[in-house]
Amino acid sequence: NAGVMQNPRHLVRRRGQEARLRCSPMKGHSHVYWYRQLPEEGLKFMVYLQKENIIDESGMPKERFSAEFPKEGPSILRIQQVVRGDSAAYFCASSLSGTAGEKLFFGSGTQLSVL
Amino acid sequence: DQQVKQNSPSLSVQEGRISILNCDYTNSMFDYFLWYKKYPAEGPTFLISISSIKDKNEDGRFTVFLNKSAKHLSLHIVPSQPGDSAVYFCAARGNRDDKIIFGKGTRLHILP
Repeated sequence: NAGVMQNPRHLVRRRGQEARLRCSPMKGHSHVYWYRQLPEEGLKFMVYLQKENIIDESGMPKERFSAEFPKEGPSILRIQQVVRGDSAAYFCASSLSGTAGEKLFFGSGTQLSVL
Repeated sequence: DQQVKQNSPSLSVQEGRISILNCDYTNSMFDYFLWYKKYPAEGPTFLISISSIKDKNEDGRFTVFLNKSAKHLSLHIVPSQPGDSAVYFCAARGNRDDKIIFGKGTRLHILP
């Protein structure tokens, strides 16, 4: 009865490298959300996906960031050519149906550190 | 553009007393409001929610009050316990909008 699983828990990258963050939603959930938390900041929405579809990517930076949620396998948040400002905690959440009153279940996050 | 505002970064409350966490919002299209609790190195966990058609929702020690005219909601915890020490995030969602918008959080310290 696993919850939302994120890996890795910690990821260290040098500037210019790529970071790939994985998220497996709760069993039966087909809606995935990615949030970023910068130090001393709240959770900022990045992207909302359903299986094979991006529903809302209004919070994603226009360059270097991409997300996918394939038919099989986890959702991936990909950051190309990382910079120091990308250092943050990245949280994934999932929900069953994506309806307005439904709560999200969060994973434990991936802490990305860019050297 | 902060649509959900938590103006108190931190709050200290004596164990056994009432903790009141406040939240203001600017978007009148928000229909659902949620509170999440977060411990260090963990993801946020859902605490309690309220629909805009209600003005109060209670769950055990936790009560959320909504004042739509003032665009203000608050979370009351009574009595406060040591395990309540955490960061509390206020969040809101529109009926047609799929994403949940979070505030910056309030760090609650329960003092012995």
